[in-house]
Amino acid sequence: GAVVSQHPSRVICKSGTSVKIECRSLDFQATTMFWYRQFPKQSLMLMATSNEGSKATYEQGVEKDKFLINHASLTLSTLTVTSAHPEDSSFYICSARGLADYNEQFFGPGTRLTVL
Amino acid sequence: AQTVTQSQPEMSVQEAETVTLSCTYDTSESNYYLFWYKQPPSRQMILVIRQEAYKQQNATENRFSVNFQKAAKSFSLKISDSQLGDTAMYFCAFMKHEGYGNKLVFGAGTILRVKS
Repeated sequence: GAVVSQHPSRVICKSGTSVKIECRSLDFQATTMFWYRQFPKQSLMLMATSNEGSKATYEQGVEKDKFLINHASLTLSTLTVTSAHPEDSSFYICSARGLADYNEQFFGPGTRLTVL
Repeated sequence: AQTVTQSQPEMSVQEAETVTLSCTYDTSESNYYLFWYKQPPSRQMILVIRQEAYKQQNATENRFSVNFQKAAKSFSLKISDSQLGDTAMYFCAFMKHEGYGNKLVFGAGTILRVKS
């Protein structure tokens, strides 16, 4: 149990376009989802926390207008990178937490974004 | 703010040998959780082991065990009988015990290579 999926797994886009990444909890209801960014051989950097039905809480230094997060249902959160630029190229990972255990996050497999 | 320090950027171990990865953390909290996550080349984050700070007994999961020293704020991971599949990046992480909005704070990671 506790499976989280992400779609797409890889995406390549042109500079200036927007890209949407989906994060789904497949077998549980996720009250909270987290979005991370990871550069090669580096740690995960938390970008934002989203709770179902409310606005996301962004970490300091993360542009909320650039990284739009929507958590419209208990099984789906989306991250939209607006007007993407090459410096937005990275590995994006989501995690989800359900009601049963506040203290465990289940991670998606990640999405590799390349902006040309 | 909480910080997590992993002082070993890279380590290597021979197959079947034992290796210990170090982690220290800084917090003023008394109740919290500590985690070790594994990120293999697939980049899927996998929970290895979890320790609750109020439990004195060190957590164990098969070949993985921790040495939790609360007073010293140390949380090392021991991998016994290392296997080639243990090759991965390992992250130590801290989570405050604050219910709904608790977030993971990750260390910088240790790349572990298991050699045959």
